[in-house]
Amino acid sequence: DAGVTQSPTHLIKTRGQQVTLRCSPISGHKSVSWYQQVLGQGPQFIFQYYEKEERGRGNFPDRFSARQFPNYSSELNVNALLLGDSALYLCASSLWTGVVYEQYFGPGTRLTVT
Amino acid sequence: DAKTTQPNSMESNEEEPVHLPCNHSTISGTDYIHWYRQLPSQGPEYVIHGLTSNVNNRMASLAIAEDRKSSTLILHRATLRDAAVYYCILRGSGGGADGLTFGKGTHLIIQP
Repeated sequence: DAGVTQSPTHLIKTRGQQVTLRCSPISGHKSVSWYQQVLGQGPQFIFQYYEKEERGRGNFPDRFSARQFPNYSSELNVNALLLGDSALYLCASSLWTGVVYEQYFGPGTRLTVT
Repeated sequence: DAKTTQPNSMESNEEEPVHLPCNHSTISGTDYIHWYRQLPSQGPEYVIHGLTSNVNNRMASLAIAEDRKSSTLILHRATLRDAAVYYCILRGSGGGADGLTFGKGTHLIIQP
């Protein structure tokens, strides 16, 4: 089975531009979460979607938005990019084990804002 | 989620056991202890989780103190591929909708 896939791998944007990042979860996983990882820090939670509905949101401004499609893939949009948005953006899909959720992460999209 | 405390870095030799500590003195009775690791240039990967009893899987063992205020991730025979940042995370039963709370983790260095 393929793991979580993300696209693109890398991209470079200019301040003020908008960006869309894409994620395909593991087959059968209905929940997708997004994280931002700044260099030297652990990942920070941005959003969780389950069955196309937002179920959780971290402490990020409204410039960040996301959606989930009927096939459970997801997009993360960031508007009005700032230099501080430069980071690795990680997508994770979740498997419910009956007791806990195990999250499976993709390789990430490296965003550089200049 | 309750807070965890881990050493910034640890160093070990290849083929030796590694014990990675985590303190979580404010853990609640329903919090599960999860460990994830992040290899260089990759996303985090799930390692193991437990509630009260010690747990073993193909990747590692998790030893949980009797009072649950600390735990130790054990890699029985470290390889160079185990060099990574290891995160100890507390998570309530059911997970919730607020994502995983990562700290800075422990940077594990493996010497050949």
